[in-house]
Amino acid sequence: DFQMTQSPSTLSASVGDRVTITCRASQSIKSWVAWYQQKPGKAPTLLIYKASTLDSGVPSRFSGSGSGTEFTLTISSLQPDDSATYYCQRYNSYLVTFGGGTKVEIK
Amino acid sequence: EVQLVQSGAEVKKPGESLKISCKGSGYSFANHWIAWVRQKPGKGLEWMGIFHPGDSDARYSPSFQGLVTLSADKSISTAYLQWNSLEASDTAMYFCARQAVTGTLLAYYMDVWGKGTTVTVSS
Repeated sequence: DFQMTQSPSTLSASVGDRVTITCRASQSIKSWVAWYQQKPGKAPTLLIYKASTLDSGVPSRFSGSGSGTEFTLTISSLQPDDSATYYCQRYNSYLVTFGGGTKVEIK
Repeated sequence: EVQLVQSGAEVKKPGESLKISCKGSGYSFANHWIAWVRQKPGKGLEWMGIFHPGDSDARYSPSFQGLVTLSADKSISTAYLQWNSLEASDTAMYFCARQAVTGTLLAYYMDVWGKGTTVTVSS
């Protein structure tokens, strides 16, 4: 079965830190990856699609990279509003697969 | 404004049936697949499947095939998620979301999400 393995599951960082979240696919998926942010009690919101394209209105401190089997979401300078859980997602296939999520906490 | 408005929270008993809804507005509802995503308390996102309101095509995750039914009424721009017999393990938040890309038969990313419907199943 296809899997998206996300790491770490939790991270704690200070305001202003550079934060990186990784997602590994069990087989090559080119650049067919999206990233979402979800705050407690809210619906997810789309941050990035096609591995590196920022959705409209998403702050430029967010960036995505990667292709094939390894993908990263980077927050260049962590802000208090970035406290949330982040999910990667594989798409452009018969089925969609989400990663397990990374909870980002502010120290 | 493009939005999806989901029906309110439900409390049901095991074995009961349920149909929750997701009404789209601000865009051509018939052209975009609607995805459904489950989130159990404290857990991650699970993709359940997608439904195309324009041609009534449905695609299910193997984990949910046969357990739920997706449908839509394009005349009122509303998608539905239905259970015939609920179990306690169905207790979760359910999100509908618009698939961003049209004209594809494949599952894509979602750019607009409903706020979610909480379903609680308890005897």
